[in-house]
Amino acid sequence: DGGITQSPKYLFRKEGQNVTLSCEQNLNHDAMYWYRQDPGQGLRLIYYSQIVNDFQKGDIAEGYSVSREKKESFPLTVTSAQKNPTAFYLCASSRQGRTYTEAFFGQGTRLTVV
Amino acid sequence: KQEVTQIPAALSVPEGENLVLNCSFTDSAIYNLQWFRQDPGKGLTSLLLIQSSQREQTSGRLNASLDKSSGRSTLYIAASQPGDSATYLCAVKQGNTPLVFGKGTRLSVIA
Repeated sequence: DGGITQSPKYLFRKEGQNVTLSCEQNLNHDAMYWYRQDPGQGLRLIYYSQIVNDFQKGDIAEGYSVSREKKESFPLTVTSAQKNPTAFYLCASSRQGRTYTEAFFGQGTRLTVV
Repeated sequence: KQEVTQIPAALSVPEGENLVLNCSFTDSAIYNLQWFRQDPGKGLTSLLLIQSSQREQTSGRLNASLDKSSGRSTLYIAASQPGDSATYLCAVKQGNTPLVFGKGTRLSVIA
């Protein structure tokens, strides 16, 4: 079954704590992305990676970190520096290039600060 | 900077109606445009991908058109059903940069 798996589905973070969201894909895609979704704001890009061991900041990277040690995996860490982390986080992947670059998404992780 | 707009933000229609969702973008130099569906609390499901060289794509009751020169795309849903109720998002791709999304249209189909 090809696709993108995000875990956990729900995550609770205490103040001052770092948490890591998992994203794994078996689609053999080069590019992977993290988006944040808040009510009324649409999807905002946090980080993306086009190749292993390389990644770029998106529009709202402050307070987040990522790594891309394997093609299949692109974990996102929400650090204590992120002051308003409560949101729905979505991971996606796609091929690179001009054609056949359809993006696929995971089922999301809902993060709540307690 | 590319901007994507979807109008209306919300739409309510009776079951059986044909409807059109709109998407506009400011920079016409795109590789492709993709339509997604999102159910509450879920991830995005890809519906249709239109390459920049194409005018339309069809899948079942869905038809998406693209007018790149005018920066517009429409998603046509025929014979709407309550199960079509969801938020529909469009996104454009330029080069190897990530997708840029509109804020979506929330559709309610009333039985």
